[in-house]
Parts: sequence; structure tokens; C-alpha cells
Amino acid sequence: DIQMTQSPSSLSASVGDRVTITCRASQSITTYLNWYQQKSGKAPNLLIYAASALQTGVPSRFSGSGSGTNFTLTISSLQPEDFATYFCQQSYSPPLTFGPGTKLHLK
Amino acid sequence: DVQLVESGGGLVKPGGSLRLSCAASGFSFNGYTMNWVRQAPGKGLEWVSSISSSSSDISYADSVKGRFTISRDNAKNSLYLQMDSLRAEDTAIYYCARVIVGAIPPRHYYSDYWGQGTLVTVSS
Repeated sequence: DIQMTQSPSSLSASVGDRVTITCRASQSITTYLNWYQQKSGKAPNLLIYAASALQTGVPSRFSGSGSGTNFTLTISSLQPEDFATYFCQQSYSPPLTFGPGTKLHLK
Repeated sequence: DVQLVESGGGLVKPGGSLRLSCAASGFSFNGYTMNWVRQAPGKGLEWVSSISSSSSDISYADSVKGRFTISRDNAKNSLYLQMDSLRAEDTAIYYCARVIVGAIPPRHYYSDYWGQGTLVTVSS
């Protein structure tokens, strides 16, 4: 199985900050990488698919990049509603696997 | 609007069974692969099972293989997960999710809509 790791596991930031979350795969997954946001008590919400494609309706302050084994999710200017947990997921080969998550909280 | 509504969760004893349902609306259910994904309390996301639009392709996580059965009824716009021989480690919120599979290579695969989840608790 492809193992996904994320760093940091937890991140403190302020409204207006630029933040970057990193996701790494245990082997190359080309660009088969998705990012989800999950708010407390809610279902995951798709932000980015295919490493860098912005899902319809997602604000442009979110962006994704990377290929191979290293990927990043960037939020250019944090808004109050962005404080949540972020998961990456690989869809290169079954079984689908998720990263352990990065919890973004208010400094 | 696309809606996915799970039901059927609850408290069950180890070794017991439960059947989850996911009612879909707002899209052509028979045209989409569907997933079940679970999340243990305070933990991360774990893919459980997938079923293609025609039920021709089915797959399971090793952790549930032989105990869980995914199925769908396209006439009823419904997805199911039959869970047998339940264990304490199956305790989780279970989400159904619609899958988008790219039509041309590279066939990117992702879940664009998720239900609100149903909680399964396995405890004596």
C-alpha cells in the first residue's frame, strides 16, 4: 500500500497568514493526489484534485502543487472559516490511502 | 442539488451485523462509482469499499474483506454496506461518497460529494 504522510500535524496561524501544508507519498503517484478539508463534526469537502485542480466553488486562495512524491497545499490568506483539518489522499493505486491530517488552528 | 444521506448506524455487539444505507438524489446515481469511507473517533479517514456504477467492479480494504459487502440498487438510487462479524475497531463514522473518475487518461479519481455520515459503535 502507498503510505501518505503530512507535515506539520498541527499548525497555529492567524487570519491573513499564508500557510503551506506538505504531503508526501511513499512512492511516486504522479499527480494522483487530492486534498480535502474537514471541519469539526462535518464530512470532508473536496478542495483540490489531480494535485493542482481547484474544485468548483472552492475559493482561489487555496492552491495545490507537486508531483511524484511531494505535494503542497497553500492557503494564500487565511480566513476564519479555514480553520479545520486538511487531509491528502492518493488515488494512484488501490487501496486509496489518506494522510493522517493537518489540524489548522487559530494562534 | 446532490444529496447523500446515510442511515442504519447504531450500537451493536462484537460479532454482530449492521446494514448501512446511503440514499442518493440530485444526480444520475447509476452513472457513478461510489465509495464508503470511515473515520474512527478522533482519527483520520480510511477507505472501506468501492463499487462501480454497474456493480461490475467491487473492492474492499483488507481490514474489512470477507466481513463487509458493498452493493447498490440503481433503481432505488441507493448504496448499501452489509457489515458482519463486527469488531470494536470497526467503530467509526461511515460516509458514503460519490466518485468522479476522469473520462480520459490520466483518469483522476476523487470524491466530490459526501454524505453527513452515520455512526457505528461496536461495543458489548
